[in-house]
Amino acid sequence: DVKVTQSSRYLVKRTGEKVFLECVQDMDHENMFWYRQDPGLGLRLIYFSYDVKMKEKGDIPEGYSVSREKKERFSLILESASTNQTSMYLCASTPGGRNLYGYTFGSGTRLTVV
Amino acid sequence: QKEVEQDPGPLSVPEGAIVSLNCTYSNSAFQYFMWYRQYSRKGPELLMYTYSSGNKEDGRFTAQVDKSSKYISLFIRDSQPSDSATYLCASLTQGGSEKLVFGKGTKLTVNP
Repeated sequence: DVKVTQSSRYLVKRTGEKVFLECVQDMDHENMFWYRQDPGLGLRLIYFSYDVKMKEKGDIPEGYSVSREKKERFSLILESASTNQTSMYLCASTPGGRNLYGYTFGSGTRLTVV
Repeated sequence: QKEVEQDPGPLSVPEGAIVSLNCTYSNSAFQYFMWYRQYSRKGPELLMYTYSSGNKEDGRFTAQVDKSSKYISLFIRDSQPSDSATYLCASLTQGGSEKLVFGKGTKLTVNP
């Protein structure tokens, strides 16, 4: 089974801190995604990557950046955390190519910014 | 208008009931349709997918797509308390990027 592992389940950070959320997948997937999930708003795409060192903005990239130095790892960076970034963050990966539905999600990181 | 609309519920039913979860979509280019199930404090997991119009059955679950009305449905027969979760519909275009477009999710509770 493909595993997508997010390094932290719960995280509490202070306003203004630089925050790193890590995601690792173990099945050589090409594509990786970062979402945030909020009540009433559903899943919103922040950034995604189709290959190493490639990144593309999703629907709500403001206040975030990403890094993909290795194929298996996709990091989400909050440059200066703010309280409106308190949310559940979900990482996902897919094999790419013609596999158009094989999204595998991690268990999520619940981030609280105080 | 959001590309995929889903009633957030919540929906509460007794054990054994037939559950109907529904979404509508606006993008005619969508060809792939998926249902994800998300248990509390977990990530979503793929439950079912269909290509274009038609039905697909898997045990107690049936996914249905009507492209003429742009309607996506998931039916759960003989619902169980273990089915209590949030259900998200999602759609994807063929030949386009691999970005899924999600509905907001419907929270379902099946009461014993």
